[in-house]
Parts: sequence; structure tokens; C-alpha cells
Amino acid sequence: KNQVEQSPQSLIILEGKNCTLQCNYTVSPFSNLRWYKQDTGRGPVSLTIMTFSENTKSNGRYTATLDADTKQSSLHITASQLSDSASYICVVSARCQAGTALIFGKGTTLSVSS
Amino acid sequence: DARVTQTPRHKVTEMGQEVTMRCQPILGHNTVFWYRQTMMQGLELLAYFRNRAPLDDSGMPKDRFSAEMPDATLATLKIQPSEPRDSAVYFCASGLVPRELFFGEGSRLTVL
Repeated sequence: KNQVEQSPQSLIILEGKNCTLQCNYTVSPFSNLRWYKQDTGRGPVSLTIMTFSENTKSNGRYTATLDADTKQSSLHITASQLSDSASYICVVSARCQAGTALIFGKGTTLSVSS
Repeated sequence: DARVTQTPRHKVTEMGQEVTMRCQPILGHNTVFWYRQTMMQGLELLAYFRNRAPLDDSGMPKDRFSAEMPDATLATLKIQPSEPRDSAVYFCASGLVPRELFFGEGSRLTVL
């Protein structure tokens, strides 16, 4: 069964600190992996999208890694800011007969406090 | 600045009433998704269109939900009759899958 598991479920850190969010998946055949940021009351916004051959991709203070062998991804946030408080959702795409299936994780809720 | 537009942003209704949510996808995108988000379940796929044709609506309760794309600029999600358990945030997203997917701001539905 195609699944995406994220950990931790929630996280509280102090402003300025770094943190790492995890995403493990059992999705096959793999197409790509995306990280989204969802602010409270808003729609998810894409941070990164990685294909099978990409190990790491950065977007400002956000760096995503992908290990396709172990089927794990991480999102590292450097020097956190209050505005990083949000839910972070990992989404894995699978190629299927009908086209592409997107499997969503349930997200990690990050709270950055001053 | 292209964006997915959803209306209404908020809707409060009574059980049994019909609810229609609308979505204007980004021009040129060939794929439109409807998702429902709750605290317990996260984002759940309800329906998925490619080039206006429904490809997957297996996540949608067929007895009360219906999704259509009458034209390339409009997708609708209708609930009739609505029930309290339908209370959630409904998101529309469009894209050129498997590339980037863009979400609207959501329609928050409360069924009393």
C-alpha cells in the first residue's frame, strides 16, 4: 500500500534554531517527492520538488534531501524564523496507469517561538 | 500573478442544505484536483480531472458529492444534502502533473 509517514507530528523550537523534519514513504513506482508549507488558514505552497536522481535541493533556508534507496526524505530549516511556523507536508508522486497519484503525508506542525 | 481562485472562502450552512464550491484553475493547467482537509485525516483526495475529464473520484462519497468541470475555467464541487461530518476545508489545486501543483486558499465549510 502506498503510504507517506511524517515525523514528528509536531515540533516546537526557539527562533534562530535549526530543525529537521522527516518523511518516509512506501510508494512505487516513484515519480517525485514534494515538500509543501501550509500557513494556518491558507493553502499549501510548494517549497521543493525532487525527482529520483536528485539528492538535495535548496530553497533559501529550506533544504530537502532525498534517499531513494531507503525511501526517506528530510526537510532541514536553518536559522528558523517566526514566519516558519506552519504545517509542512510531504507529498510523493507515483506513476500509475491512469496517470499520476499523489500520496500526502499528514504533515508536521512546526511552532517557532521567540 | 497566476493563482487558483476558490469561492466561497467561508460557508456556514444547516444540515440538509445544498453547498456548491467553485474553483477557477490557473489558465493553461490541464489537471484539477479537489481535496478535503480535516485535523484528523489531513489532505484527502476527493476528485481529479485531466483535460476536464474525471479520472478519479473514488475518494468522494458518491451519494451526496458531485464534481464537474463545465469548462476549462471552472470546476465545481457540490454536496447535497450536506451533513455535519462534511465540515472541513476544501481545497482545489491545479497543475501540469507531474510537475508543480498550485493550491487555492480553500473553502472552509461548517455544517450545523
